[in-house]
Amino acid sequence: GENVEQHPSTLSVQEGDSAVIKCTYSDSASNYFPWYKQELGKGPQLIIDIRSNVGEKKDQRIAVTLNKTAKHFSLHITETQPEDSAVYFCALREGGGNKLTFGTGTQLKVEL
Amino acid sequence: DGGITQSPKYLFRKEGQNVTLSCEQNLNHDAMYWYRQDPGQGLRLIYYSQIVNDFQKGDIAEGYSVSREKKESFPLTVTSAQKNPTAFYLCASSIGRMNTEAFFGQGTRLTVV
Repeated sequence: GENVEQHPSTLSVQEGDSAVIKCTYSDSASNYFPWYKQELGKGPQLIIDIRSNVGEKKDQRIAVTLNKTAKHFSLHITETQPEDSAVYFCALREGGGNKLTFGTGTQLKVEL
Repeated sequence: DGGITQSPKYLFRKEGQNVTLSCEQNLNHDAMYWYRQDPGQGLRLIYYSQIVNDFQKGDIAEGYSVSREKKESFPLTVTSAQKNPTAFYLCASSIGRMNTEAFFGQGTRLTVV
């Protein structure tokens, strides 16, 4: 199956700074790229997603960019707040199927 | 409220016993999925079902079994053949068409002693 590499595995930022998490993939047929936030002891929740016909999408302090040529997509969080502290997972859906393949996660810590 | 429900939240079993994890959804979704999550790792797909009475193996299906007799239910059985069953198990559902959001339950933490 598809392999998704996610970096970094841990990220500490000061409150108010920006955070960037990057994922790379290999299957050029991948066409849907969601990002999930998981708080401790809970299931992941979708925070933003992007489809292969779009290069960038924003939702308030969160944005996702997609570079299909280079096969990578990134999550950008601006003006970080303590409540942004969580584990973030990138994922993708391979072309032609319904399966989601996940990255290994990034533990984001926003420090006061 | 519409959603996806997993029960129980915590489950303890003795080694060698089979155990079944429940997953129910009232979102009228066709597709349902089971993932396993281990500390410091991503979510790994165990089984998925795109429609009632049909399911496919994911990446780590060995030692697990599922059924999909009803649209709203997708129980997962962890059998005694699963060598390392202690983990956090997540169930998800989606409409079923490509490029649609997957909704997750709150998970079941299984501990085998």
